[in-house]
Amino acid sequence: AQSVTQLDSHVSVSEGTPVLLRCNYSSSYSPSLFWYVQHPNKGLQLLLKYTSAATLVKGINGFEAEFKKSETSFHLTKPSAHMSDAAEYFCVVSVLYSTLTFGKGTMLLVSP
Amino acid sequence: KAGVTQTPRYLIKTRGQQVTLSCSPISGHRSVSWYQQTPGQGLQFLFEYFSETQRNKGNFPGRFSGRQFSNSRSEMNVSTLELGDSALYLCASSPTDREGYTFGSGTRLTVV
Repeated sequence: AQSVTQLDSHVSVSEGTPVLLRCNYSSSYSPSLFWYVQHPNKGLQLLLKYTSAATLVKGINGFEAEFKKSETSFHLTKPSAHMSDAAEYFCVVSVLYSTLTFGKGTMLLVSP
Repeated sequence: KAGVTQTPRYLIKTRGQQVTLSCSPISGHRSVSWYQQTPGQGLQFLFEYFSETQRNKGNFPGRFSGRQFSNSRSEMNVSTLELGDSALYLCASSPTDREGYTFGSGTRLTVV
């Protein structure tokens, strides 16, 4: 079985400062890992994915994440936050036959 | 290209009724998954279909069922609705299970 733990339920940053959203995973098999973002009253948008290629993954809107097997982590970062980044972010793990296991989500708040 | 289309966007049903939700995946995507999102339980996996076959099923009662047609379109049915079934139901499609999923905007079901 697999599981995901998002270490912070809320993260607050100021516009222009770095963003760090933390995620730890547990998996019996080699996982695929994803970050999704959900804006209010919208569906989920794929930010980036790790599928056993490069450990540093670049995504859309300036986000990136690094897969660290030894730490079982897949933290999401962005050098400079923008007001439009305010949303809920989900770390997701997938192994075998496409079952996605979601973390509880991290709400990112961006202040001017 | 067109995204994942879910219909209807909103539904209000009465306890005891049944409901059918529809999902049209991205053209060429053969894998379709369904998820339930609630404030208390977060995002939970319902089931996944690939080429008309259910490959995996989440931990939901038998009142929740689904199917996939030969054109990859999928439907989800919930019978004998309960108040606790009120949720956002998300459909997602993918060409393979390692590519990451594209989500629709969801169907918001309210049971009164």
